[in-house]
Amino acid sequence: DADVTQTPRNRITKTGKRIMLECSQTKGHDRMYWYRQDPGLGLRLIYYSFDVKDINKGEISDGYSVSRQAQAKFSLSLESAIPNQTALYFCATSDLTSGAYNEQFFGPGTRLTVL
Amino acid sequence: AQKITQTQPGMFVQEKEAVTLDCTYDTSDPSYGLFWYKQPSSGEMIFLIYQGSYDQQNATEGRYSLNFQKARKSANLVISASQLGDSAMYFCAMTPLHGSSNTGKLIFGQGTTLQVKP
Repeated sequence: DADVTQTPRNRITKTGKRIMLECSQTKGHDRMYWYRQDPGLGLRLIYYSFDVKDINKGEISDGYSVSRQAQAKFSLSLESAIPNQTALYFCATSDLTSGAYNEQFFGPGTRLTVL
Repeated sequence: AQKITQTQPGMFVQEKEAVTLDCTYDTSDPSYGLFWYKQPSSGEMIFLIYQGSYDQQNATEGRYSLNFQKARKSANLVISASQLGDSAMYFCAMTPLHGSSNTGKLIFGQGTTLQVKP
């Protein structure tokens, strides 16, 4: 089984709808991240969390919210989806205690289309 | 501000030849790490290689090597003996490792699409 899973893998929704993307991990890592990927822009950080009580904004957090329900679960919500949030979304985990260099382990990605 | 620049949107290489993918970075952090990830058409992110800013030797992992030139702030990926399966998007990324900047986050470049020709 994959260490980092994301659901759904693909989602088409309409403008104005609320949508939640979910991420679960079995690696036991404390740190979790949400990135979005747009063509020509690489991956950009939306939010990150060090533990269930520590949530931090990334460089492009506007229009998004997150919830860290447990160490293993980190959800990303779009309260009112808009077409320019159409992108590939990645969840990732890392743990400073298991490595010296912040290697991140990525989920398979969620392809979101907002019509 | 931290920034990664990949100036080659697309590259072609003949099968079995070597190819270099360019990456330059900008940071004021005294210690940092540099990564390369591969993204095939299926979309997943595959970790390839890591270089720490204080590592004395260039990193190597099988057919991948990282040509790290600290003074030039470059971290180019070299793939030797290219294979058809190397066709993918490649991302260079950086993580600050110093003090309060050490959040574990990655700063990514725009990516380079590599196509290997038979």
